[in-house]
Amino acid sequence: DTGVSQNPRHKITKRGQNVTFRCDPISEHNRLYWYRQTLGQGPEFLTYFQNEAQLEKSRLLSDRFSAERPKGSFSTLEIQRTEQGDSAMYLCATQGRQETQYFGPGTRLLVL
Amino acid sequence: AQKVTQAQTEISVVEKEDVTLDCVYETRDTTYYLFWYKQPPSGELVFLIRRNSFDEQNEISGRYSWNFQKSTSSFNFTITASQVVDSAVYFCALGDSGGYQKVTFGTGTKLQVIP
Repeated sequence: DTGVSQNPRHKITKRGQNVTFRCDPISEHNRLYWYRQTLGQGPEFLTYFQNEAQLEKSRLLSDRFSAERPKGSFSTLEIQRTEQGDSAMYLCATQGRQETQYFGPGTRLLVL
Repeated sequence: AQKVTQAQTEISVVEKEDVTLDCVYETRDTTYYLFWYKQPPSGELVFLIRRNSFDEQNEISGRYSWNFQKSTSSFNFTITASQVVDSAVYFCALGDSGGYQKVTFGTGTKLQVIP
């Protein structure tokens, strides 16, 4: 257990529905990242927060995706109007002063 | 652009055998970090090791050892006397040294240790 928690662990939804995932970081970590991992691939970067500021977004993050980190603590990732191609594992990672990212258990999304 | 190549997609070994997982990276940065993560079937990525580009000393931690060679841009991982609990997907990753740490992952090597 890295100390990073994610909820829910699994989500099944129908195409077109909105979903929201939550990440609770290690308390002293001010940097937070979201990644997406599809089957047989390594994680791919989606977005980065330093405290409450979203400083970087990948081209993978379409307009249907939005992420927030109010007060610089937990973060949420919302996907609107889900598509079957959104089915993946969504991973959150946090980082403190050291140059190492610690990952949560992920949320596995299945869009039917 | 950063790139990490893990040419071995899947490896099967019999318990107690030694196994080496290969990792080759590409970067134009002079300062960078290399990582190995383990992903068991439960899905959580477990951090194993971080090396910075200025430290080419090999490292040993129990049954695990890592060989970093800048001359060949490789960062290989060896498990000695493998155990069934070592079965997982192992990812090699390359990170830069900026405030926002961009990390590029390889495609992973699935290791199956057969009892």
